[in-house]
Amino acid sequence: AQSVTQLGSHVSVSEGALVLLRCNYSSSVPPYLFWYVQYPNQGLQLLLKYTSAATLVKGINGFEAEFKKSETSFHLTKPSAHMSDAAEYFCAVSHFGNEKLTFGTGTRLTIIP
Amino acid sequence: DTGVSQDPRHKITKRGQNVTFRCDPISEHNRLYWYRQTLGQGPEFLTYFQNEAQLEKSRLLSDRFSAERPKGSFSTLEIQRTEQGDSAMYLCASSSRHHRQETQYFGPGTRLLVL
Repeated sequence: AQSVTQLGSHVSVSEGALVLLRCNYSSSVPPYLFWYVQYPNQGLQLLLKYTSAATLVKGINGFEAEFKKSETSFHLTKPSAHMSDAAEYFCAVSHFGNEKLTFGTGTRLTIIP
Repeated sequence: DTGVSQDPRHKITKRGQNVTFRCDPISEHNRLYWYRQTLGQGPEFLTYFQNEAQLEKSRLLSDRFSAERPKGSFSTLEIQRTEQGDSAMYLCASSSRHHRQETQYFGPGTRLLVL
């Protein structure tokens, strides 16, 4: 069984400040990990994914995430927040051979001008 | 590549009515997934197809729910005898099974409200 825990359902940061969204996973097999972003009344867009290659993964819009097996974490970061980053962010896990995604409950990111 | 499309985008229905949603995946994507997202929650897996074969169904998919992908292209999700608890966003995604762990591309969703 797999699961994802996102710490903090709401995160607020000032424009230009560091963004840190936390994700911890549980998986009995080597996981594949994903971050998706969802804007209001829209579907999900992939930001980045970890598929057992490099542990530091770079995605779109300046986001990156680091896979830490010892901490079972896959936190999402961005050095400088922009107003357009305001959205809901979901961490998800799957594993090879069963590609259905198991999502966390999401973190709503608010950017303060 | 026009992306995943879903129709309708919004649906309001009365309890007890049947509804059907359609998903058109990215062309040549052989895998198609359905997820349900309730307010304030992450999407939950419902079912998925590889070509026309339905390979897995979640326990969330009660016998009132049925999904088809008759020719391995578009898919339909039907809910019979809708209940207020069915109110949610229904998301469709597609992927190509040519490489390990291909990305799932999501459509805009169909928002269902059951009165």
